[in-house]
Amino acid sequence: KAGVTQTPRYLIKTRGQQVTLSCSPISGHRSVSWYQQTPGQGLQFLFEYFSETQRNKGNFPGRFSGRQFSNSRSEMNVSTLELGDSALYLCASRRQVGAYEQYFGPGTRLTVT
Amino acid sequence: KNEVEQSPQNLTAQEGEFITINCSYSVGISALHWLQQHPGGGIVSLFMLSSGKKKHGRLIATINIQEKHSSLHITASHPRDSAVYICAVIKNTGNQFYFGTGTSLTVIP
Repeated sequence: KAGVTQTPRYLIKTRGQQVTLSCSPISGHRSVSWYQQTPGQGLQFLFEYFSETQRNKGNFPGRFSGRQFSNSRSEMNVSTLELGDSALYLCASRRQVGAYEQYFGPGTRLTVT
Repeated sequence: KNEVEQSPQNLTAQEGEFITINCSYSVGISALHWLQQHPGGGIVSLFMLSSGKKKHGRLIATINIQEKHSSLHITASHPRDSAVYICAVIKNTGNQFYFGTGTSLTVIP
C-alpha cells in the first residue's frame, strides 16, 4: 500500500507570493491533517480535513487555508508569503478523525526569500 | 507553557550507551506516540501507548498515566539511532495531536 505522498518536495518562493502544496493520503484514509515544523516551534497543527470539511483548526492566520477533494486528496494554500513561513510542511493521514494511528508524508520544504 | 514537554532537548551518546528520553504532558490524553524523524524530514511512528510498556527490538516505551509521564529508552545505542525523537499526545477532547519540541539524539561511534 502506498504511503502518504506530498508534492512538491522543495519550493522556493518570494515574499508576497502565494503557494499551494498537495497531499495524497494512504488509500482508504479519509482524514488529512497539515502541520508546520520549524526549528524553534517544533510541529504545530494547522488544520484537519475529513469528508471535504475542515474539522479542526490550529492557531494560524487566515493566510493559511486548505481544502479536501472527494478522493480525500488535500491541498493547503498560503497567501502573501512572509519570511517566517519558511518551514517544513507535513501532512498526515488517518482513517478518520479520532483514529489513534496517523501516518506522515515526507514533507514539503518551503523557503521564502 | 507547552502542553507537551520533552527532555533533554539535545543528547549525545557513545555507541552502546543506554539512552532515556522523557516526555511530560499536562492534559488528559487518549494515547501517546513516540515518533522518529531522520534528517530529510520523514516521520515514522515508533510506538503508540495508552498504558503500560511496549518493546520493539532495542526500543522500550513506558507510560504512567497517573503521573502524566512517558519515557523512551534505547538500549545498546547505535549511530543509526541518530535522529530527532518526538513525543505526541492525542488529547481526549478534540482528538487532535499535540507535539513536544523533540529531542535531537546523536550517537557517536
